[in-house]
Amino acid sequence: GAGVSQSPRYKVAKRGQDVALRCDPISGHVSLFWYQQALGQGPEFLTYFQNEAQLDKSGLPSDRFFAERPEGSVSTLKIQRTQQEDSAVYLCASSLRVSAYEQYFGPGTRLTVT
Amino acid sequence: GQQLNQSPQSMFIQEGEDVSMNCTSSSIFNTWLWYKQDPGEGPVLLIALYKAGELTSNGRLTAQFGTTRKDSFLNISASIPSDVGIYFCAGLNAGGTSYGKLTFGQGTILTVHP
Repeated sequence: GAGVSQSPRYKVAKRGQDVALRCDPISGHVSLFWYQQALGQGPEFLTYFQNEAQLDKSGLPSDRFFAERPEGSVSTLKIQRTQQEDSAVYLCASSLRVSAYEQYFGPGTRLTVT
Repeated sequence: GQQLNQSPQSMFIQEGEDVSMNCTSSSIFNTWLWYKQDPGEGPVLLIALYKAGELTSNGRLTAQFGTTRKDSFLNISASIPSDVGIYFCAGLNAGGTSYGKLTFGQGTILTVHP
């Protein structure tokens, strides 16, 4: 079956530009997570949605980062006024159940800010 | 952000050898997970551990949930070239307001020489 998909796979942005990253979770999955993975590091939690409700955004590094999931399926992570330190791979993961023991990851979007 | 301490950082082994890696934390987790990530892809779940002291196998992979709940171990027996990749441990405290947020280690890079 179809897994988690993300688009674009690669994004180059000039410093100060706004970007929008899309995640299509596995159909029917209730939980959706965004993670940020810096080069050579493990993923770090950004935010969590249960259906359309954003229940945890404690990992968002600044108010320039904004995420939404308006209909409880597709999610968008938006970064305003991008900075060089935002360069990373942004991973989306979904899980069937609320308890979210098993999360299925998408391939990620590699963002490079120049 | 908090990350788990994973060791070794990298391993270079001959095909057929066994591999061991571990992960430690200053905090208790009630679920431990092991993921493998190939270049340009998202992490793929290998093994999930739900109970302190639990030993679980998945083919040539065996993982253990440490009795202190602050560590976990992964062993790969009889390595093959396709085992090459980055292995991540992740801790999870399910329930409450954690919503399944994963805390990852820094990863172990495994190289297998034919």
